[in-house]
Amino acid sequence: NAGVTQTPKFQVLKTGQSMTLQCAQDMNHEYMSWYRQDPGMGLRLIHYSVGAGITDQGEVPNGYNVSRSTTEDFPLRLLSAAPSQTSVYFCASSQTGTGAPNSPLHFGNGTRLTVT
Amino acid sequence: KNEVEQSPQNLTAQEGEFITINCSYSVGISALHWLQQHPGGGIVSLFMLSSGKKKHGRLIATINIQEKHSSLHITASHPRDSAVYICAVASYNTDKLIFGTGTRLQVFP
Repeated sequence: NAGVTQTPKFQVLKTGQSMTLQCAQDMNHEYMSWYRQDPGMGLRLIHYSVGAGITDQGEVPNGYNVSRSTTEDFPLRLLSAAPSQTSVYFCASSQTGTGAPNSPLHFGNGTRLTVT
Repeated sequence: KNEVEQSPQNLTAQEGEFITINCSYSVGISALHWLQQHPGGGIVSLFMLSSGKKKHGRLIATINIQEKHSSLHITASHPRDSAVYICAVASYNTDKLIFGTGTRLQVFP
């Protein structure tokens, strides 16, 4: 199993450009989520999904869109990039959810995004 | 005030020392996660707890639900344990994780 695969690893955008961060998992996990990590602030939840066709907002959803058309994929879209979106982004998945017993999180390797 | 507080923020130890990292939270939770972030940036799950104690190798995690507190212990620390350790709580009846800001551990030979 590849686990959670995130692409790209690095990306530089100009203000106003759009892009999609890809996340795929091959463990048949129901729960998938996106986080951003900024210095001194820890990880913050952007959006999450508890199954195909179901998404919900996290703590910092503004400026980001998600969809979950399949169990395997959970892409994160930046519609019009802003410098405030410069961050490291992590995708994670788990079998059934963050509070369910014996359902640990599996993280992708991260995407370092710079918006100039 | 943050909903998840970790202490200390930074920790330096000599190889072989016993390490304790603390996590306190102020919300009702379904579970608490301990994560390790390597110097290269990758994040791995160490423990997921809803009660009691878990042990894996030299790592032990405990949680006291009544006191809203968890500890991560590392016995016989080693330089390869150098990493950032992150506490995260699954808010009760939601699937949202709230993270602490992490504890940076450096273990010197």
